[in-house]
Amino acid sequence: AQRVTQPEKLLSVFKGAPVELKCNYSYSGSPELFWYVQYSRQRLQLLLRHISRESIKGFTADLNKGETSFHLKKPFAQEEDSAMYYCALSGRGSNFGNEKLTFGTGTRLTIIP
Amino acid sequence: EAGVTQFPSHSVIEKGQTVTLRCDPISGHDNLYWYRRVMGKEIKFLLHFVKESKQDESGMPNNRFLAERTGGTYSTLKVQPAELEDSGVYFCASSPWTSGGNEQFFGPGTRLTVL
Repeated sequence: AQRVTQPEKLLSVFKGAPVELKCNYSYSGSPELFWYVQYSRQRLQLLLRHISRESIKGFTADLNKGETSFHLKKPFAQEEDSAMYYCALSGRGSNFGNEKLTFGTGTRLTIIP
Repeated sequence: EAGVTQFPSHSVIEKGQTVTLRCDPISGHDNLYWYRRVMGKEIKFLLHFVKESKQDESGMPNNRFLAERTGGTYSTLKVQPAELEDSGVYFCASSPWTSGGNEQFFGPGTRLTVL
């Protein structure tokens, strides 16, 4: 069974401070991990995925297989980062790349001006 | 290019009634997924179409839910009869068929309220 855990439902951070949103996963193989974000009045959209190793909007996330974690980090928070963040996992079955997503419960990030 | 569209944006019905949700994926996307977020809980997978075929329907809660994808284009999700616990936001997502590392594009969701 695959499972994603986001321990923080709410997180408030001052503007300019570092941000870390935690994500842990459970999966028997080597999954693909994603961070999706939903800004106010917008649809859910991909922020980044571990396979790309990109930095998007200053955010990075490193897959730690030993700790089964995929924490999202940003060194200096900006007001426009306020949003709902979801960590998600996709399995590597026979339909790799086309599998369903398993989501965590999400973390609402609020940046305090 | 238009993104994934869903209709209606909101639906309020009474318990026992029928509701049909529609999703139009991005043109050319073979994969179409339905997800649901019930209040206070995580977004959960319902089912996955590849073109017109159901690839995975392991997340469908019960036989009151029926999904179709006519001709491999748009999809409908019918709830009949609706129950109170069906209330939530129903998301549709689409993606092209790929060999790996795929992004799913989400629609705005349909908020269903069952009274």
